[in-house]
Amino acid sequence: GDSVTQKQGQVTLSEDDFLFINCTYSTTTYPTLLWYVQYLGQGPQLLLKVTTANNKGISRGFEATYDKGTTSFHLQKASVQESDSAVYFCALGMSNYNVLYFGSGTKLTVEP
Amino acid sequence: NSKVIQTPRYLVKGQGQKAKMRCIPEKGHPVVFWYQQNKNNEFKFLINFQNQEVLQQIDMTEKRFSAECPSNSPCSLEIQSSEAGDSALYLCASSLTNSDYTFGSGTRLLVI
Repeated sequence: GDSVTQKQGQVTLSEDDFLFINCTYSTTTYPTLLWYVQYLGQGPQLLLKVTTANNKGISRGFEATYDKGTTSFHLQKASVQESDSAVYFCALGMSNYNVLYFGSGTKLTVEP
Repeated sequence: NSKVIQTPRYLVKGQGQKAKMRCIPEKGHPVVFWYQQNKNNEFKFLINFQNQEVLQQIDMTEKRFSAECPSNSPCSLEIQSSEAGDSALYLCASSLTNSDYTFGSGTRLLVI
């Protein structure tokens, strides 16, 4: 069935470090791939969306690249800030009523 | 500030009690979703609506949960008889007909 996998449960970085979060997915259709960010006490917010047509999304300094060959969808940022501390979720958007399949989340802590 | 308004922010119920939470979707969004997010950050899709009609729901939702999205009134999700395992963050989201959800801040339910 359709699924998405995030293996990094927690990542701790210092300010200005490079961020890389891996996400892989499995589906038999053409999905929309999304990254959401959830700050403490809030609901998830859409960070990036990538379709199989455009392969890459960029927003707020974050970049996600879709690789059909490895069915992966990584999130990266060149230089993280303390304000980026949050939980990041990758998600698979299916055309079937647009239900999202979420990964298990990566908690990012950025130390000053 | 989320454009999807969820109330109450916190809800404490005893086992067997009814628990009801409400959601006002973003204006102009015809599709409304309810998700349950547990303490491990795992998301579970519960039900979605399009213009007051149920599109899809999981088995658990059919049996113990009731939900509706009447026109000109907030959407609601009600657990008929709360169980300890229902303790979670309940997230409402709305969208147009694509994967760009807007999430609310959630209702955190504690069943004691």
